Amino acid sequence: NAGVTQTPKFRVLKTGQSMTLLCAQDMNHEYMYWYRQDPGMGLRLIHYSVGEGTTAKGEVPDGYNVSRLKKQNFLLGLESAAPSQTSVYFCASSYSQGLAGGEQFFGPGTRLTVL
Amino acid sequence: DQQVKQNSPSLSVQEGRISILNCDYTNSMFDYFLWYKKYPAEGPTFLISISSIKDKNEDGRFTVFLNKSAKHLSLHIVPSQPGDSAVYFCAASFRGGGKLIFGQGTELSVKP
Repeated sequence: NAGVTQTPKFRVLKTGQSMTLLCAQDMNHEYMYWYRQDPGMGLRLIHYSVGEGTTAKGEVPDGYNVSRLKKQNFLLGLESAAPSQTSVYFCASSYSQGLAGGEQFFGPGTRLTVL
Repeated sequence: DQQVKQNSPSLSVQEGRISILNCDYTNSMFDYFLWYKKYPAEGPTFLISISSIKDKNEDGRFTVFLNKSAKHLSLHIVPSQPGDSAVYFCAASFRGGGKLIFGQGTELSVKP
């Protein structure tokens, strides 16, 4: 049982390049989330999904796109990377919102640097 | 506007003593509050939570207190251990769960 996994762990991009971050979970969770963590800012929600085929915007969605074609996978895309997108990206998943506490399970993170 | 705030970026405590981490929030509609612990190069892991209808929840060495009138919660760790050294995030969610709003985090250092 791997939990939540993220690919890749590290990546360096040049301004204007594109890339996709992959998140996979094997817990059969309905909800999946993408966050970014920046110094002094905590974790901020980029996009989330409440089920296969659905996506919604979070706090900081600009410059990112997402897709949830399969229940276990949630992809985060950067079409034209900017230095402001240098951050650590975390994926998380959770059971449906009906369960108490909204506990989310996090992946190990992807450290992205945009030059 | 930061809805969940952790005003202390860091805290240093002696092993065996109590660690108290604080969190303030502004939105009275929050229904659940959670604490996450994060080690370097790892993702956050869930520690303890509390419903807005309670004022205390305890799990072993960890206790979370909620003061709704002050819109304040705190995490107490007793006794503190060196392995507790990590960044602690408080988070809040609205009724129905789903999205979490995180604070900025407090880095706890427990010295032997």
